[in-house]
Amino acid sequence: DADVTQTPRNRITKTGKRIMLECSQTKGHDRMYWYRQDPGLGLRLIYYSFDVKDINKGEISDGYSVSRQAQAKFSLSLESAIPNQTALYFCATSDSGQGEETQYFGPGTRLLVL
Amino acid sequence: AQKVTQAQTEISVVEKEDVTLDCVYETRDTTYYLFWYKQPPSGELVFLIRRNSFDEQNEISGRYSWNFQKSTSSFNFTITASQVVDSAVYFCALSGFTGNQFYFGTGTSLTVIP
Repeated sequence: DADVTQTPRNRITKTGKRIMLECSQTKGHDRMYWYRQDPGLGLRLIYYSFDVKDINKGEISDGYSVSRQAQAKFSLSLESAIPNQTALYFCATSDSGQGEETQYFGPGTRLLVL
Repeated sequence: AQKVTQAQTEISVVEKEDVTLDCVYETRDTTYYLFWYKQPPSGELVFLIRRNSFDEQNEISGRYSWNFQKSTSSFNFTITASQVVDSAVYFCALSGFTGNQFYFGTGTSLTVIP
């Protein structure tokens, strides 16, 4: 079984709808992250969480919110989806510690906002 | 400021040729970490290598090798005798000492032509 899973893998929604992307991990890592990938822009950090009670904004948090329900679960919500949120979304995890920890990524969720 | 630059947007090589992917980084941290990830057409992000700023030894893993040079702030990736399965987007990333955030380059799309 995959260590980091994301649901759904693909999603089509309409402008204005609220949607939630979910991430679960079995790696036992404390830190979890949400990124979006757009062509030519690489990966950009949306939110990150270092433990259940810790939530931090990343580079592009506007229009998004997150919830860390448990150590193993980190959800990303789009309160009112807009077309420019069409992207590939990745969840990642890493162990606690200093910067040397590697981030391990889920398979991604392809989101299309019409 | 932390920044990763991958100036090569797209590269095409013929199978069995060697290819080098460039990565240049900027950081004010004295301790930092560099990473390479591979994103095959299926979309997942696969961790390839991690390097810390105190270890400038080059590393070889099969057909893959990495050349880390602090003097030029570069962490280049060479694939020897390329194969079609090497076709992917490759990302270089930087993590600072606090580990709060990964900074990704915009990626290099490698196409290996049979």
